[in-house]
Amino acid sequence: AQKVTQAQTEISVVEKEDVTLDCVYETRDTTYYLFWYKQPPSGELVFLIRRNSFDEQNEISGRYSWNFQKSTSSFNFTITASQVVDSAVYFCALSEARSNFGNEKLTFGTGTRLTIIP
Amino acid sequence: DTAVSQTPKYLVTQMGNDKSIKCEQNLGHDTMYWYKQDSKKFLKIMFSYNNKELIINETVPNRFSPKSPDKAHLNLHINSLELGDSAVYFCASSRSRGTLHFGNGTRLTVT
Repeated sequence: AQKVTQAQTEISVVEKEDVTLDCVYETRDTTYYLFWYKQPPSGELVFLIRRNSFDEQNEISGRYSWNFQKSTSSFNFTITASQVVDSAVYFCALSEARSNFGNEKLTFGTGTRLTIIP
Repeated sequence: DTAVSQTPKYLVTQMGNDKSIKCEQNLGHDTMYWYKQDSKKFLKIMFSYNNKELIINETVPNRFSPKSPDKAHLNLHINSLELGDSAVYFCASSRSRGTLHFGNGTRLTVT
C-alpha cells in the first residue's frame, strides 16, 4: 500500500526566510510519480510539480526547488526568500505509474500549513 | 477559460435531501475524478472515470452516484445526505497517466 507522510503539520516563518517542507513516501512499486500541490486560503488545488521516479535530478523553478532522494524515499520542497503569497497548505502526493488508464489514484499526505509572517 | 469548473461553489442543505454537483472540463482529458477533502484537509479519491467508464470506486457509500454523460462531464449525485457528508468535493481531470488538474471545489454543508 502507498503512503505519504508530511510530518510537519504547521510551519511559520518570517518573510524572506527560506523554508523546507518535508515529504516521505512508501510504495512497493519501482515506477511511480510524485507531486506537490498548493492549496491557498481561497481553497483551490494548484499543481506545482510532477516527478517521475526514474528522474532523481533536482528541479528549480524560480524561488521553488525540489529535492528528490530515492535512497531515503523523500521528495522535499524548498521555498527560497518566502513571500506572504506563499502562505498556503502544501500537499505531497504519490501515484503508481503502472496503473491502467483512469486508475491514476493520487495518495495525498496530510498537508503542511505554511504561514509566512510579514 | 476555466479548465475544470464545478458548480455550485457552495451547497448548504438539510439532512435527508438529495443534491448534485456538476463538473465540466475543457482540457480534452480522458479521465475525470472526484476527490473528497474532509474537515482536517485530508484528500481522498472517491471515483474515477475514463472515457465515461467507471474505473475507481473507492468504497464510497451507495448514496453517492457519479454519472458521466460524456468525456467532458462528471457529475456527482448524493442521496439522503448525512451530516458526515459535509466536506469539500473536488473534481479533477487528467490525460491518461497525466497530471491531475483540479476544479475549485464545492463546499457541501449538511445541517
